[in-house]
Amino acid sequence: DGGITQSPKYLFRKEGQNVTLSCEQNLNHDAMYWYRQDPGQGLRLIYYSQIVNDFQKGDIAEGYSVSREKKESFPLTVTSAQKNPTAFYLCATKSPGQGAYGYTFGSGTRLTVV
Amino acid sequence: GQQVMQIPQYQHVQEGEDFTTYCNSSTTLSNIQWYKQRPGGHPVFLIQLVKSGEVKKQKRLTFQFGEAKKNSSLHITATQTTDVGTYFCAGKYSGGGADGLTFGKGTHLIIQP
Repeated sequence: DGGITQSPKYLFRKEGQNVTLSCEQNLNHDAMYWYRQDPGQGLRLIYYSQIVNDFQKGDIAEGYSVSREKKESFPLTVTSAQKNPTAFYLCATKSPGQGAYGYTFGSGTRLTVV
Repeated sequence: GQQVMQIPQYQHVQEGEDFTTYCNSSTTLSNIQWYKQRPGGHPVFLIQLVKSGEVKKQKRLTFQFGEAKKNSSLHITATQTTDVGTYFCAGKYSGGGADGLTFGKGTHLIIQP
């Protein structure tokens, strides 16, 4: 069953801690994305990667880091430098070609700072 | 940066009434996509529009892309309770800059039976 798996579903972080959100896909898609969603807001792009071992900053990359060591995996680390990390984090992939199938999203991770 | 404005933010309708949400961009889009997010869920791709003036239909949903490729709309005819959720437009800009889509803030559709 092809898709994107994000874990954990819920995550609680203490002030000053780094946390890593997992995103794994078996769709064989090259491009992967991390978006952040806040209540009443649209999705904002954090980082994206078009191929293995390469990634680019999105619109709100400060306080976040990523890696892309395998095609299937694109983990996101929320560092202590991110001042307001409480949000819903969505990982997405894009099929190759003209993109007529849009982006496929995982079920998301809800991060809360306690 | 580039922004996609979406209105209204909330829309309450009676079941069976029609619903429309609008998106506008100040600059020309390469294409525009529409997504639906159910409460507590994740966005699900509905459709992509690429051509100027394009109109596409999916059962009770009609999607339009403006002639100048700067605006788009989604119209739902005779809403049903299953249509509840947030509808997002997402624009793709050509040229330089970050990859990925620029999302509108979404329109929350609330249906009263």
